[in-house]
Amino acid sequence: SYVLTQPPSVSVAPGTTADVSCGGDDIRTKNVHWYQQKPGQAPVLVIYYDSARPSGIPGRFSGANSGNTATLTIGGVEAGDEAVYSCQVWDDDNHHWVFGGGTKLTVL
Amino acid sequence: QVQLVQSGAEVRKPGASVKVSCKASGYTFIRYDINWVRQAPGQGLEWMGWMNPNSGHTGYAQKFQGRVTMTRDTSKSTAHMELSGLRSEDTAIYYCARVTNLRGVRELDPFDIWGQGTMVTVSS
Repeated sequence: SYVLTQPPSVSVAPGTTADVSCGGDDIRTKNVHWYQQKPGQAPVLVIYYDSARPSGIPGRFSGANSGNTATLTIGGVEAGDEAVYSCQVWDDDNHHWVFGGGTKLTVL
Repeated sequence: QVQLVQSGAEVRKPGASVKVSCKASGYTFIRYDINWVRQAPGQGLEWMGWMNPNSGHTGYAQKFQGRVTMTRDTSKSTAHMELSGLRSEDTAIYYCARVTNLRGVRELDPFDIWGQGTMVTVSS
């Protein structure tokens, strides 16, 4: 089964840039989606197809995918960005969706 | 507005079954696949399966094969997920989520609308 590996936590100061990584074997060949989940709330799509932003998501959110790592980047981090961020890909071999374990972003 | 509204929290004993509902509004129900995802306390998201509300066709994660059944009632724009043989490890929040039709490919398109979640507790 395809495995996505995310760091459990990332901490940054307000106004700086946060990078959240999502590692997987040759992940560059897959389409990666990213979700933000705040405590007690359902996930919200923030990046799809590696780097596209849904309407309503600030331009501070961006994504990239190359080699064995996909990255969600949040520029000018704000307190309201504190959340768990999870990546998602389709596992072609096993015909199912896979999620990373999630990364908790803390704004210091 | 476009939304998915799920049924309320449930408590079941081990070995029992639970059926969670997901009512769609604000869009044409049969045009978008529905997926089910669960999240155990303090854990990550876990995909359970998909359903095409138009045809009723389904696809389940291997882990849940034989225990999960996804159905729909098109007259009520409602999707259902039933999980049987419950055990304590099934205690989780269960979400329904709509698949976008950005590329019209089930295995590629992300989930753009999520229900609010339904807490299912399995305890003796």
